Amino acid sequence: GAVVSQHPSWVICKSGTSVKIECRSLDFQATTMFWYRQFPKQSLMLMATSNEGSKATYEQGVEKDKFLINHASLTLSTLTVTSAHPEDSSFYICSARNSAGFQETQYFGPGTRLLVL
Amino acid sequence: AQTVTQSQPEMSVQEAETVTLSCTYDTSENNYYLFWYKQPPSRQMILVIRQEAYKQQNATENRFSVNFQKAAKSFSLKISDSQLGDTAMYFCAFMTPTGTASKLTFGTGTRLQVTL
Repeated sequence: GAVVSQHPSWVICKSGTSVKIECRSLDFQATTMFWYRQFPKQSLMLMATSNEGSKATYEQGVEKDKFLINHASLTLSTLTVTSAHPEDSSFYICSARNSAGFQETQYFGPGTRLLVL
Repeated sequence: AQTVTQSQPEMSVQEAETVTLSCTYDTSENNYYLFWYKQPPSRQMILVIRQEAYKQQNATENRFSVNFQKAAKSFSLKISDSQLGDTAMYFCAFMTPTGTASKLTFGTGTRLQVTL
């Protein structure tokens, strides 16, 4: 149980285009999902908290107009990188919060490698 | 604000041996959760073990166990009978379950290499 999928696993796009990444909780409902960015050999950096049915909460320094988050259902959150530029190239990871039975654990997707040319 | 410190950037252990990864944290909260996540070369974050702060008993998951010292704010991970597949980056993480703001605070990680 507690499986989170992420799609696509990797994407290459041209500068100026937009890229959408999907995060799904496959066997549990997640009212809260999180989006992280990870640079090589570093820890995870939280970008935003995605709440089902409401606006996302962004961390300081993260441009909300550039990284659009939508959490339309209890099993799906999407991150759209708008007008992507080479500096947006990174590894993006989502996680879903499972609080059923007071578990209070975050389970992670496999990540998406984004390369902007 | 909570902080998590992993003071060992890299560690190495021989196969079948035991290794302990250290983690300390700082918080004024009384109710919280602690986690160890493993990130192998595939970069998939995998939950290794979790501990509720209100539980005195140390959590165990097969070859993985923790030494949770609440007063000292220490949460070390012991890996017994190390296997080559344990080679990975290990992150210690802290969370307070306050409504929707249940963010994870991560340490900087410890890179573990298991050798033959």
